[in-house]
Amino acid sequence: DAGITQSPRHKVTETGTPVTLRCHQTENHRYMYWYRQDPGHGLRLIHYSYGVKDTDKGEVSDGYSVSRSKTEDFLLTLESATSSQTSVYFCAISGIDVGGYTFGSGTRLTVV
Amino acid sequence: DQQVKQNSPSLSVQEGRISILNCDYTNSMFDYFLWYKKYPAEGPTFLISISSIKDKNEDGRFTVFLNKSAKHLSLHIVPSQPGDSAVYFCAASEGNTGFQKLVFGTGTRLLVSP
Repeated sequence: DAGITQSPRHKVTETGTPVTLRCHQTENHRYMYWYRQDPGHGLRLIHYSYGVKDTDKGEVSDGYSVSRSKTEDFLLTLESATSSQTSVYFCAISGIDVGGYTFGSGTRLTVV
Repeated sequence: DQQVKQNSPSLSVQEGRISILNCDYTNSMFDYFLWYKKYPAEGPTFLISISSIKDKNEDGRFTVFLNKSAKHLSLHIVPSQPGDSAVYFCAASEGNTGFQKLVFGTGTRLLVSP
């Protein structure tokens, strides 16, 4: 019943390489978000989108870019991966009349 | 500048007893508060929420209390069960529908032992 899926679930990449994580939703929700989870920091907002082609930065956006060309897809790109971007990345969605988020299952990214 | 704080990284309780998880916030503009539960290798799942117009919200074994003057909320789980063992995140936002920029605490790992 997953209305939101993330791919890949796991990825190991080398420092300096570009990486793109995908979030796909079937709920037709307008708002989408990318968070990262790190020990001692909880969940921190990277970027968010409030509609197709409308995106903005969160609190930890340096080194990341996003794109949303369709309602259902929100892509997170690490232009040149660094070891500090080793983390678990979560995508979330929210609707107009529903409070809170629904989260995806996460992508565990390791940069070596 | 942590706007939402969970000062206890971990909590251990026995099955059947009460679990109390605490959360403090600093931004007086927050008016909607949520608790999420997270199991390993899964995304956080919504547990319970409370609007600032209330001071208590109950859903089965879970109750959230809000003390606006102290900028403090707590989650009570009664009775605690081993399946409740997970990481619990407190979150806050301005507004409760539409676009929400949730600010999360650092999480509290709850372990409920049989």
